[in-house]
Amino acid sequence: GAVVSQHPSWVICKSGTSVKIECRSLDFQATTMFWYRQFPKQSLMLMATSNEGSKATYEQGVEKDKFLINHASLTLSTLTVTSAHPEDSSFYICSASVGGVSYEQYFGPGTRLTVT
Amino acid sequence: SQKIEQNSEALNIQEGKTATLTCNYTNYSPAYLQWYRQDPGRGPVFLLLIRENEKEKRKERLKVTFDTTLKQSLFHITASQPADSATYLCARQNQAGTALIFGKGTTLSVSS
Repeated sequence: GAVVSQHPSWVICKSGTSVKIECRSLDFQATTMFWYRQFPKQSLMLMATSNEGSKATYEQGVEKDKFLINHASLTLSTLTVTSAHPEDSSFYICSASVGGVSYEQYFGPGTRLTVT
Repeated sequence: SQKIEQNSEALNIQEGKTATLTCNYTNYSPAYLQWYRQDPGRGPVFLLLIRENEKEKRKERLKVTFDTTLKQSLFHITASQPADSATYLCARQNQAGTALIFGKGTTLSVSS
């Protein structure tokens, strides 16, 4: 089946620094990738939709200057958390679809970010 | 705005029994609903997709129904096993058709 990887699986950074998270579709090409954030005991909250070769579409309330998304190829999307603060600590998960949201999404294993 | 609700946070059943999880949605009926399984500290894994015109769909021990009158989907696991213990999420398309909206999930615990 379709496999999506994320790197790193966990990261600890100091407040004020930036962190980059990579999301790769390993065996298929994804024109669209999605970035989610999940707090403990909460559902996945969509942050942005990443389209290859174009600007990401951010959900309401998500700061695009703080969460920089780049989708440079059909197999790689990156999320950079800039000037991280402790409240950005969360579980970040990406997903990719072979055909948009009308089809099943394949999720990465997630990245646990802790900002100290 | 369209919502998706999984009213039960947790469900505890004994091994061998059938687990039934409920997902309710508001406003217009989505063209389809999706169900995912999520284990602690992991990303969700796709299980089943059921379309609006499909009343029922099966995959091995899993069965999903879609009732547009009740605005509800039921997810069944028959002959449940401890390995089925996980959080199960349902999801619907947003109105623009650009993304999925997830419910909070129901955490199933199957005891032996």
